[in-house]
Amino acid sequence: DAGVTQSPTHLIKTRGQQVTLRCSPISGHKSVSWYQQVLGQGPQFIFQYYEKEERGRGNFPDRFSARQFPNYSSELNVNALLLGDSALYLCASSYDRGPGEQYFGPGTRLTVT
Amino acid sequence: AQKITQTQPGMFVQEKEAVTLDCTYDTSDQSYGLFWYKQPSSGEMIFLIYQGSYDEQNATEGRYSLNFQKARKSANLVISASQLGDSAMYFCAMRGARDTGRRALTFGSGTRLQVQP
Repeated sequence: DAGVTQSPTHLIKTRGQQVTLRCSPISGHKSVSWYQQVLGQGPQFIFQYYEKEERGRGNFPDRFSARQFPNYSSELNVNALLLGDSALYLCASSYDRGPGEQYFGPGTRLTVT
Repeated sequence: AQKITQTQPGMFVQEKEAVTLDCTYDTSDQSYGLFWYKQPSSGEMIFLIYQGSYDEQNATEGRYSLNFQKARKSANLVISASQLGDSAMYFCAMRGARDTGRRALTFGSGTRLQVQP
């Protein structure tokens, strides 16, 4: 079975630009979460979506937004990019019951110059 | 607020030996879950093992076991018979009851494990 997929793999943007990252969950998983991992740190929770509705949001500014589509895939948008947004962006999917261990994709490495 | 502390930035272990990676947590929730993930240099986070706060037995998954000491709020990962492929970053994470609905994990800062031949 295919795991979580993310695109693109790498991305270079300029300050002030906007970026869209994409994620497809494992088949059968309806919950998608987004995390930001700055170099040398653990991932930080950004958003979680379930059945196209936002279930939770971490401590991130309104420049960050996301949505989930009927096929459960998801997009993360970041507007007005700052240098500090440079990070690995990880998408994770899970069942919405049980311990809910999350399965992560390979990530999108975003560099803002 | 929930917090995960991993006090070992880096660890070395000889191939075929066992190693323990430390994790302590802080939460006011009575019900919570603890997770360990492995992150190779490729960047993907790989789920290793889960322990529920009400589980009476320590979790085991193959060569991985979780030494759960609830009173001490510790959830150490034990890797037996280390292999060269175990070299990676290891993250401890938790999800409290209040986060169950939103499936948010709180991660520690990680431990870099290097297995030496």
